[in-house]
Amino acid sequence: KAGVTQTPRYLIKTRGQQVTLSCSPISGHRSVSWYQQTPGQGLQFLFEYFSETQRNKGNFPGRFSGRQFSNSRSEMNVSTLELGDSALYLCASSTGPAKRLFFGSGTQLSVL
Amino acid sequence: TQLLEQSPQFLSIQEGENLTVYCNSSSVFSSLQWYRQEPGEGPVLLVTVVTGGEVKKLKRLTFQFGDARKDSSLHITAAQPGDTGLYLCAGARTGTASKLTFGTGTRLQVTL
Repeated sequence: KAGVTQTPRYLIKTRGQQVTLSCSPISGHRSVSWYQQTPGQGLQFLFEYFSETQRNKGNFPGRFSGRQFSNSRSEMNVSTLELGDSALYLCASSTGPAKRLFFGSGTQLSVL
Repeated sequence: TQLLEQSPQFLSIQEGENLTVYCNSSSVFSSLQWYRQEPGEGPVLLVTVVTGGEVKKLKRLTFQFGDARKDSSLHITAAQPGDTGLYLCAGARTGTASKLTFGTGTRLQVTL
């Protein structure tokens, strides 16, 4: 069974631009969560989607948004990028809420 | 605000030594998980503890959940180079179990 797939693996953007990251969950998994990982703040929860509905949201500004499609694939978008948005963005899937999380390898975003 | 503090932050030991990593919080969690993350990869779940005082063993790794469900520890016996990685604890609260609060992390290096 294929694991969680995140694309792209690496991304370089400049301040003010926007970016879209993609996550394909493990087949049969209907819940997708997103986390931001930085050296200073560690791993922080962004949001969780289940059956195309946002179930939980972390304490991030409105520039961070996400969505989930009917095939459970998910995207997150960051608008008006700031230098501080440079981070590893991790996606995790599970069979449902409160079930074991399986993480992808992440998208490393660098904002210049 | 980082709700889960891990100690030590860094640990460099030789093969065969024992070590303990601590995860402390002032908050109560319904369950606590331990992950290991290797460079370029997402975190991988090692164990979940849910009952205060619970002890779980995974080969040379022993995990304990505090009686008050506010803290946890990970003990590794006879460390091996393959144990090298970033160890993360993560707490979950009832009703938002997929919204994990991650610890600050302990980076372990085991050398020959």
